[in-house]
Parts: sequence; structure tokens; C-alpha cells
Amino acid sequence: AQSVSQHNHHVILSEAASLELGCNYSYGGTVNLFWYVQYPGQHLQLLLKYFSGDPLVKGIKGFEAEFIKSKFSFNLRKPSVQWSDTAEYFCAVSDSGAGSYQLTFGKGTKLSVIP
Amino acid sequence: GAGVSQSPSNKVTEKGKDVELRCDPISGHTALYWYRQRLGQGLEFLIYFQGNSAPDKSGLPSDRFSAERTGESVSTLTIQRTQQEDSAVYLCASSSGTSGDEYFGPGTRLTVT
Repeated sequence: AQSVSQHNHHVILSEAASLELGCNYSYGGTVNLFWYVQYPGQHLQLLLKYFSGDPLVKGIKGFEAEFIKSKFSFNLRKPSVQWSDTAEYFCAVSDSGAGSYQLTFGKGTKLSVIP
Repeated sequence: GAGVSQSPSNKVTEKGKDVELRCDPISGHTALYWYRQRLGQGLEFLIYFQGNSAPDKSGLPSDRFSAERTGESVSTLTIQRTQQEDSAVYLCASSSGTSGDEYFGPGTRLTVT
């Protein structure tokens, strides 16, 4: 069975600070990797995804994530955060060979950006 | 209305009552998923529908939970004899089945008193 760990429950940053949110997964097979974001009062939205190819993936709003297979990690990064990035961020994985994109989610990391 | 919609947005029910939650997926999306999010937890997969194939029910926590989908349209999630531990936000997502991008609805917040 797959599992996803997000080690930071709540991260507080000042505007313009750099961001890195950790995500590690455990699964022996080939995975697809996702980051979803939930802004206050809104529903989950896809931020970026990795299926194959270049392990450095760029998403919306200046976010990027790097898949490091040897470390089973898919950390999310942004060089300079803005107040509008305040949200909850969820890492998720699916089994790329299963035919179903059923997602296994981490517990989420809440990001608070202070103006 | 291009997104996934869910109803009701909030539901308060008494322990032991049955509830029915509805999901309208994005038109043309063949895949539909139900998840639930309990307080302080990540999303848990419940059930997956793909076209007319038999659903993947592997995530349903007990036989009190069931779901139906008619073709590639509306789905309903039914919880019978609700318990307090069923309190959660129930999320529906749909995808085209080829991209893996799941589009989520706003969720139904269920509170069992």
C-alpha cells in the first residue's frame, strides 16, 4: 500500500521568503506524483504533477517540484512566496500502472504567509 | 458551470440516520472518485467509478457506505445508520481518465450529532 508523509504541519513565512515543503512517499512501484492546493474557502486545485520525463516539474504561480526517485521525495518549492500563497498544500501519489488514478494523500501542510 | 458540483454543501444529521450526498461531475469525464477528509487528516479514498466498469470499492470503510453512478453522470454516496466518526468533508472528483488530473468539487461537510 502507498503512503505519503508531509513532515511539516504548519509553515509560517514572511513575504519574499523561499519555500520548500517536504513530501515523501512509500511505494515500490512506479508512481505519478501530484501537489494540490486549497486556498481558504476554495476547493482543491491541481498545482502540478509528475508522470514521467524531466523530474523537475513546473506548475502554476511559480511553483515547482523535483522528483528524486532515490529519496522517494517530491518536494514543492517556490523562490519567493506571496501573501496570496497562504493555503493548505497536499502531496499525493497514484500507482501509474494501476489504470486508476486513485490518489493517496498526505495530511497536508498549512502555509501562512505574513505580509 | 464547468466544475464539479456537490450537494448539499453542509449536512447535519442525527446519529443513526441515513444520508445521501450528491456529486455532479464535469461533463464528459468518465472517471469519478469519492474521498473523505476527517479533521486533521489527509484525504482518504473511498470509491472509484470508470465508465461502465465495476466500481473500485476498496476504500469504503464499512458496509454502511455505498455509492452509485448512472453511466457517466451523477453519483450519490449513501451512508446508512450514520455514526459520529462519519463526520467529515466528503469530496468528489472527476477526471477524463486519460490525464490523471482530478478536478475536485467543493465538498459536503457532514456533521453527525
